[in-house]
Amino acid sequence: AQSVTQLDSHVSVSEGTPVLLRCNYSSSYSPSLFWYVQHPNKGLQLLLKYTSAATLVKGINGFEAEFKKSETSFHLTKPSAHMSDAAEYFCVVSDQGNAGKSTFGDGTTLTVKP
Amino acid sequence: GAGVSQTPSNKVTEKGKYVELRCDPISGHTALYWYRQSLGQGPEFLIYFQGTGAADDSGLPNDRFFAVRPEGSVSTLKIQRTERGDSAVYLCASSKARADSSYNEQFFGPGTRLTVL
Repeated sequence: AQSVTQLDSHVSVSEGTPVLLRCNYSSSYSPSLFWYVQHPNKGLQLLLKYTSAATLVKGINGFEAEFKKSETSFHLTKPSAHMSDAAEYFCVVSDQGNAGKSTFGDGTTLTVKP
Repeated sequence: GAGVSQTPSNKVTEKGKYVELRCDPISGHTALYWYRQSLGQGPEFLIYFQGTGAADDSGLPNDRFFAVRPEGSVSTLKIQRTERGDSAVYLCASSKARADSSYNEQFFGPGTRLTVL
């Protein structure tokens, strides 16, 4: 079985300050983990993915995430928030034992204040 | 290049009616997925196709929901006797790799917003 918990439904930061969006997962197999971003009225866009290679994964727009197996976490970070980062972010697990089935978290809404 | 497209972008129907939602995947992508996203929630898996066959339909909520992909490209999600609870955004995604690969990157369409009155 696979599941994802996004620990914060809303995160608010000031422009130029760090961003931390937290995600914990549960998986019976070696998981693939993803972060997607969804801007209003836009499709889901892949930010980054972990697929059992390097545990620190760099993505687009300055985002990165670290896979920590001992903590079953895959938190998303960015050193300095930009106004354009305001969006909904989804953590996703795809368990290789559930081929094709991806489980999404409920999302974290990121607000960036000027 | 062209991404995943979905039609219509919006669909309003009355309770009890039948609807069809269409998905055009990225050319050459063998895997296709349908998700449903209700307000304030993450996308929920419905069904996954590998080629023409449904490899996993465990997410379909009941037998009013059905999906086909007869030629391994375009897919149609069909909902019979629609209910108000079916109102949601229906998302389609496609993937180049086999779904049990560790490189299962899915590319999403913009979605179809279904409203059942």
